[in-house]
Amino acid sequence: DIQMTQSPSSLSASVGDRVTITCRASQSISTYLNWFQQKPGKAPKLLIFAASSLQSGVSSRFSGSGSGTDFTLTISSLQPEDLATYYCQQSYSTPLTFGQGTRLEIK
Amino acid sequence: QVQLQESGPGLVKPSQTLSLTCTVSGGSISSGDYYWSWIRQPPGKGLEWIGYIYRSGSSFYNPALKSRIIISIDTSKNQFSLKLSSVTAADTALYYCARRDGQQLVHDYWGQGTLVTVSS
Repeated sequence: DIQMTQSPSSLSASVGDRVTITCRASQSISTYLNWFQQKPGKAPKLLIFAASSLQSGVSSRFSGSGSGTDFTLTISSLQPEDLATYYCQQSYSTPLTFGQGTRLEIK
Repeated sequence: QVQLQESGPGLVKPSQTLSLTCTVSGGSISSGDYYWSWIRQPPGKGLEWIGYIYRSGSSFYNPALKSRIIISIDTSKNQFSLKLSSVTAADTALYYCARRDGQQLVHDYWGQGTLVTVSS
């Protein structure tokens, strides 16, 4: 199985801050990497697919980059509604696996 | 707009079989290049992919659960289902159904989730 490791596990930032979350795969997954946002009590929502493609309807404040084993999700200017847990997921091979999540808090 | 809705018992006894159904609306489950997935999330924990099925009936399971899982599809009802046998407390989780786009390889539509508790 491909292991996905996110860092940090949690972070606190202020409105307007630039926020970066990283995800590392245990082997190369090319750009088969997706990012999800899960707000409390809600289902995950797709933000980024194929490492850097913005899902339709998602704010352009979100961007993704990376390939191989190292990936990054960036929020350019943090907003209060970005309070959530963020997950990366590899779609390179089954079993599909997720990172453990990064909990984002607003200061 | 595609919508997915999970249904099934919220309480299952240990050693019994958990059975859930996902009803798809706003699109046909038998058209397009889509896989129909089950994903679960234990309370306060992360996401675990259980498996998915294609419209042809071909299914792919997580090896960690493979011996206990059956995912089936009923195109006439626009539904797909999950059966997980021999459940224990460790199977207590929020169970989501989702659509996986076969081209973009992403889960783009999700149900709201249904909580299943395993307890006597």
